[in-house]
Amino acid sequence: NAGVMQNPRHLVRRRGQEARLRCSPMKGHSHVYWYRQLPEEGLKFMVYLQKENIIDESGMPKERFSAEFPKEGPSILRIQQVVRGDSAAYFCASSPLLTQENTEAFFGQGTRLTVV
Amino acid sequence: KNQVEQSPQSLIILEGKNCTLQCNYTVSPFSNLRWYKQDTGRGPVSLTIMTFSENTKSNGRYTATLDADTKQSSLHITASQLSDSASYICVVSALRDSSYKLIFGSGTRLLVRP
Repeated sequence: NAGVMQNPRHLVRRRGQEARLRCSPMKGHSHVYWYRQLPEEGLKFMVYLQKENIIDESGMPKERFSAEFPKEGPSILRIQQVVRGDSAAYFCASSPLLTQENTEAFFGQGTRLTVV
Repeated sequence: KNQVEQSPQSLIILEGKNCTLQCNYTVSPFSNLRWYKQDTGRGPVSLTIMTFSENTKSNGRYTATLDADTKQSSLHITASQLSDSASYICVVSALRDSSYKLIFGSGTRLLVRP
């Protein structure tokens, strides 16, 4: 059972380009969470998705950022017109049923986005 | 406001020594509390997960405690090893209206020196 897979591991974009980050959850997991980690800082929640639904996007910037988790395929975090401040590590986590008290969330290795 | 505060921010200890990391939270309603270890450049890996009714849980040389009344948790590392050098992150989850949210502390950076 492969873990949470994120790709690419490293992504370099010029200012104004688009960045697409992919996350394939663990087998059997239907919930995906995206977090951003700025250098020297902790993880900050961005968005929580279930298959074909956005459950909570309270941590997502209102502009340029979007996320989806289609019925088939990986979850995608999309950043349009990237700026230098978007440079960070973006982590994805997945979990199974959300109502169990001991529900475990497993993290991927992250995508390091560098905007030049 | 839901918050998770960790202390100290960073810690340096000698190999073989013990240490304790602290976590205070104001998350409500509380679902569970986890400690994660994050090696540099890697994703967080779960060490322990504790629900409201659990006071202590061990995972090898790691022992976590939880006081749900005072909303405090600690992570005790025994007989530290060089490989323990990492960031340790306290994460509290809140379950509200079927929305399950993890709230992260900023972490404690531990450096174990030979």
